[in-house]
Amino acid sequence: GAVVSQHPSWVICKSGTSVKIECRSLDFQATTMFWYRQFPKQSLMLMATSNEGSKATYEQGVEKDKFLINHASLTLSTLTVTSAHPEDSSFYICSARGPRGNTDTQYFGPGTRLTVL
Amino acid sequence: TQLLEQSPQFLSIQEGENLTVYCNSSSVFSSLQWYRQEPGEGPVLLVTVVTGGEVKKLKRLTFQFGDARKDSSLHITAAQPGDTGLYLCAVEMDSSYKLIFGSGTRLLVRP
Repeated sequence: GAVVSQHPSWVICKSGTSVKIECRSLDFQATTMFWYRQFPKQSLMLMATSNEGSKATYEQGVEKDKFLINHASLTLSTLTVTSAHPEDSSFYICSARGPRGNTDTQYFGPGTRLTVL
Repeated sequence: TQLLEQSPQFLSIQEGENLTVYCNSSSVFSSLQWYRQEPGEGPVLLVTVVTGGEVKKLKRLTFQFGDARKDSSLHITAAQPGDTGLYLCAVEMDSSYKLIFGSGTRLLVRP
């Protein structure tokens, strides 16, 4: 089946530093990737849509200058949390969408837990 | 207000019991998906329902899409500890294919 990986699986950083999270589709090409954030005991909230070769589309209330998204190839999207603060601590999950047979489906990564001290 | 409201928010039951989880909205959708997420992992797709009134079964899980395609339910028969997790309904929005998730139901099945 289609596999999506994320790296790192967890990261701890100091306040004010930047952190980059990678999302890779391992066995298929993903035309579109999505980034979600999930706070403890809450649901997933969509942050942005990342299309290969074009600028990401951010959801309302998500700062594009703080959460930089790059989708440089059909198998890799990166999310950089710039000048991280403790309130950015969360579980970040990506998903990748790509043609698979006649059905387009989203496949989710295992998530990255970010803790900002 | 949340587009998709799930109820209950939390459910703790004994192994062997039956349960139903609901996903409600005032909007009409062309399809609806159900996911299960375990702690520290990404969500895993369980099923997609497309037709109003549709019923799909996945072993002990029965999914139903409302006739008007505004709501859905998930029924688990004879729950097992392995069913423990966060159950999420989700809908795909317009042509952008982005998924909007419901508020979630956290299920704990005690052995």
